Amino acid sequence: TQLLEQSPQFLSIQEGENLTVYCNSSSVFSSLQWYRQEPGEGPVLLVTVVTGGEVKKLKRLTFQFGDARKDSSLHITAAQPGDTGLYLCAGNQGGKLIFGQGTELSVKP
Amino acid sequence: DAGVIQSPRHEVTEMGQEVTLRCKPISGHNSLFWYRQTMMRGLELLIYFNNNVPIDDSGMPEDRFSAKMPNASFSTLKIQPSEPRDSAVYFCASSFMGEFQAFFGQGTRLTVV
Repeated sequence: TQLLEQSPQFLSIQEGENLTVYCNSSSVFSSLQWYRQEPGEGPVLLVTVVTGGEVKKLKRLTFQFGDARKDSSLHITAAQPGDTGLYLCAGNQGGKLIFGQGTELSVKP
Repeated sequence: DAGVIQSPRHEVTEMGQEVTLRCKPISGHNSLFWYRQTMMRGLELLIYFNNNVPIDDSGMPEDRFSAKMPNASFSTLKIQPSEPRDSAVYFCASSFMGEFQAFFGQGTRLTVV
């Protein structure tokens, strides 16, 4: 059983569309992070959210941390082919960084 | 900064052989993590160290797996004997203890035939 459940697992959309990826858990996390991974590379941090209800924006990406610090979402506006990749959420529990299964995003031109 | 350096990038070995994966963390980082990534199970935490001391190895699948960190600039993950089900990409990551950002190496793709 995954501590962090991501949905959807796969997403294929056209350039210009909007999308939202979800990361849910029954556990509370002191912080939650979103990473992006490209083929043949390790994950790279996009953002860290710490406070319940926090919203952070990174260009066309909007990240939200749930009020209870158990869930998070990543929203991409006007997706571009360069957004293609594996998006991973990760929760910090006492120094351990636990990852969700990931969402494989494909943006077609 | 060279980032986290892992070697080798690719390893193909026969079942039963010993495999050693190597990691050099970012200088100054005092936490080091070993992960395994597969399609079926995603990114699993195997073990992590703080100040060269193993803190949690509950993710190590079985006694065939062992990890060491003899100093702040080097860690190894050893599999002995290796089995085909160990085939995966193994990542090392490092961070400042207590900080949120983990920096990953490029991984070692292990294939056991």
